[in-house]
Amino acid sequence: DAGVIQSPRHEVTEMGQEVTLRCKPISGHDYLFWYRQTMMRGLELLIYFNNNVPIDDSGMPEDRFSAKMPNASFSTLKIQPSEPRDSAVYFCASSPPGPVNQPQHFGDGTRLSIL
Amino acid sequence: AQTVTQSQPEMSVQEAETVTLSCTYDTSENNYYLFWYKQPPSRQMILVIRQEAYKQQNATENRFSVNFQKAAKSFSLKISDSQLGDTAMYFCAFMKTNAGKSTFGDGTTLTVKP
Repeated sequence: DAGVIQSPRHEVTEMGQEVTLRCKPISGHDYLFWYRQTMMRGLELLIYFNNNVPIDDSGMPEDRFSAKMPNASFSTLKIQPSEPRDSAVYFCASSPPGPVNQPQHFGDGTRLSIL
Repeated sequence: AQTVTQSQPEMSVQEAETVTLSCTYDTSENNYYLFWYKQPPSRQMILVIRQEAYKQQNATENRFSVNFQKAAKSFSLKISDSQLGDTAMYFCAFMKTNAGKSTFGDGTTLTVKP
């Protein structure tokens, strides 16, 4: 089992640029989550999908953020245009279907720095 | 809405000793799941232990055990025989039954000292 795979591991870019973070969930998992982690705000859930459908995007900070899941094995989180305050570690996680609630499996995260 | 509170932002313990991390939560649900996750400096978050609310017996995984007090809505994590590799941030999380997402606490940074 390869685990949740995120890319890139680090991203440094200038403000105003478009940033795309990628995630490959564990095969067979039907939930996918995007989190943002900062010292100030801790771990925040941005959005999550079930069977490729966005279920709750209330954590997405603003319209500059968008997430897609075109198929069961791939998701992207896009920031356009990026701002310095978007600097954080972004985690993707996935979890398998029921019948009992399952813990989430996290990727290694993408450390994003916006200059 | 559920809330999860970890009242200890930072803790430290000597190697080989025992430490307890606290977690309380607020919910009106009767059936739910609780988790402790560990995030070492390498960043990847991994599951440490889980507890189903309908089970009265406290979960145990080797050196890790929980003290689940449903009436008090408390879910503390006990680490016995602490090891240097236990140094990490620990997150408590709550999940309603049949819910997709979890609610996480703010985390407790644990340092194990040699």
